[in-house]
Amino acid sequence: DQQVKQNSPSLSVQEGRISILNCDYTNSMFDYFLWYKKYPAEGPTFLISISSIKDKNEDGRFTVFLNKSAKHLSLHIVPSQPGDSAVYFCAAQRRGSTLGRLYFGRGTQLTVWP
Amino acid sequence: DADVTQTPRNRITKTGKRIMLECSQTKGHDRMYWYRQDPGLGLRLIYYSFDVKDINKGEISDGYSVSRQAQAKFSLSLESAIPNQTALYFCATQSGFSTDTQYFGPGTRLTVL
Repeated sequence: DQQVKQNSPSLSVQEGRISILNCDYTNSMFDYFLWYKKYPAEGPTFLISISSIKDKNEDGRFTVFLNKSAKHLSLHIVPSQPGDSAVYFCAAQRRGSTLGRLYFGRGTQLTVWP
Repeated sequence: DADVTQTPRNRITKTGKRIMLECSQTKGHDRMYWYRQDPGLGLRLIYYSFDVKDINKGEISDGYSVSRQAQAKFSLSLESAIPNQTALYFCATQSGFSTDTQYFGPGTRLTVL
């Protein structure tokens, strides 16, 4: 049962435009959400996160928005750059749990073309 | 030098063979994890360890075993490899707090023929 869903396997955006990657979750106990970025032949690297007590978190060109009522979050990249081309994984966590296990979505391949 | 290393990076083996994947870290983290990624799927947790004496099964532990030889080393074994264990395997580390970021190794691409 996929508790974190990324329904778009791929996204293609022109350089300089906005990239919007979407993620939905089903477990209302999740209270922390993360985005990881993965280049080929490398492991995922942490990009940005948001706590459920917030609805927005910004870090440079990257902004994550959280809509708890809809159980939906999105990652905005503005402006998009060719170096942003990678697979982006959405992940969710129950911070109150001892494990702190991450539940991952299937990923979205972002391609930014010149 | 990379903080989290995995060996080998690529491995091709045959059905029935025993395989060990190794993970080492220099971050001084207590927690270590093994994940697998299949094409079109997210990362799924195989095993995790909170310290040398603590080993726990994840969601897909069948067919796998692990060993935490030291704080810095966490190995994953496939006792008798089968083709549906062909996947990309990632090791990750985390400090002693569940709220901290997990840091991933570069991955091992395993093919079982």
